[in-house]
Amino acid sequence: DAGVTQSPTHLIKTRGQQVTLRCSPKSGHDTVSWYQQALGQGPQFIFQYYEEEERQRGNFPDRFSGHQFPNYSSELNVNALLLGDSALYLCASSFRGGGSLRFQYFGPGTRLTVT
Amino acid sequence: SQQGEEDPQALSIQEGENATMNCSYKTSINNLQWYRQNSGRGLVHLILIRSNEREKHSGRLRVTLDTSKKSSSLLITASRAADTASYFCGSYSGGGADGLTFGKGTHLIIQP
Repeated sequence: DAGVTQSPTHLIKTRGQQVTLRCSPKSGHDTVSWYQQALGQGPQFIFQYYEEEERQRGNFPDRFSGHQFPNYSSELNVNALLLGDSALYLCASSFRGGGSLRFQYFGPGTRLTVT
Repeated sequence: SQQGEEDPQALSIQEGENATMNCSYKTSINNLQWYRQNSGRGLVHLILIRSNEREKHSGRLRVTLDTSKKSSSLLITASRAADTASYFCGSYSGGGADGLTFGKGTHLIIQP
């Protein structure tokens, strides 16, 4: 049973460009959350997708957008990249039926470097 | 904003010793979860403690929760080199239909 997978592993982009990161959730999970982790910091919640809709959003600008597909996989898009967007982007999946008692399974992350 | 704040930020101990790290949070919670992260990789769930529980054990891990002080502690007994990692506490600030809020973490180094 594959866990959460993310692609690509590493990415280098230039300021002003756009980037798309991908995530496939763990089998049986229907909810995908995205986090941004700057160096030396804890993960910061970006948004969560369930039933192909954005359900909750953290304190991130509209440059950050996402999508969830019918097979529960998800994409994170970031437009007009800034140097400050350089971070490890983590995808996490869970089963919504677990409510607040559920814990999240994290993927290995995508390391984004903006130059 | 960060819900949890771990303390200390870094901890270095000898293999075989016990490691204790603390977490404080700001708002009421349904439960609190501890995760481990190795070298900038994904987080791995360790243990969950519900708001009506005071202590929970899992193998070499012991977690306590004091809701009156809005704090939790994670104890790792008989530490091993493989325990070297960053440890984060996380909680759902809402009804569970949202993402986890994490602190900055405690970086634990186990010296052989």
